[in-house]
Amino acid sequence: ETGVTQSPTHLIKTRGQQVTLRCSSQSGHNTVSWYQQALGQGPQFIFQYYREEENGRGNFPPRFSGLQFPNYSSELNVNALELDDSALYLCASSSGTTSYNEQFFGPGTRLTVL
Amino acid sequence: QKEVEQDPGPLSVPEGAIVSLNCTYSNSAFQYFMWYRQYSRKGPELLMYTYSSGNKEDGRFTAQVDKSSKYISLFIRDSQPSDSATYLCAMSANLGGGADGLTFGKGTHLIIQP
Repeated sequence: ETGVTQSPTHLIKTRGQQVTLRCSSQSGHNTVSWYQQALGQGPQFIFQYYREEENGRGNFPPRFSGLQFPNYSSELNVNALELDDSALYLCASSSGTTSYNEQFFGPGTRLTVL
Repeated sequence: QKEVEQDPGPLSVPEGAIVSLNCTYSNSAFQYFMWYRQYSRKGPELLMYTYSSGNKEDGRFTAQVDKSSKYISLFIRDSQPSDSATYLCAMSANLGGGADGLTFGKGTHLIIQP
């Protein structure tokens, strides 16, 4: 176990709704990254937060937004859900923002959009 | 052409065999190369981490990076049924000035037959 926890485990929403996913980082980690993993695909980078600020973003629209809190827990918010948003959402915490800081993944939240 | 190509498999081998998993990539800026293992309904777990070209060994696992050919490999010796999982290659350029995240392959589904 990595010490990274995510909630909820599963979630079912309908198209157009909004969703909030939560992540608790491993102790001592100040950086969190979020990834989307569609069925049969590798994870895709959504964004990274460091010290409560967005530090980098992948090719995702603005309706994907995030927050990081002073205790380094974080949220991923998705507005105006689309069917293609159905995926496993993974958060990964690390002790720094560079590529040589190992990223520890949580078990993910499986989102189904109907 | 995707940045990272990985054969999704499935790859089925008998217990005790040597397994070879591979990825090719197109972005010459990638400097950091990783292999993750992902069991069903779990988050990815880091197996091997390599910077630039060369070999790295850890127990039954050996990672190889050939930057001139843009080709990376993971070898598993004395394969066990517990090695059955999806293996994801991941890469990063670490250009600085903000995170670019990890770029993953699709993953190879590996089955070790007892």
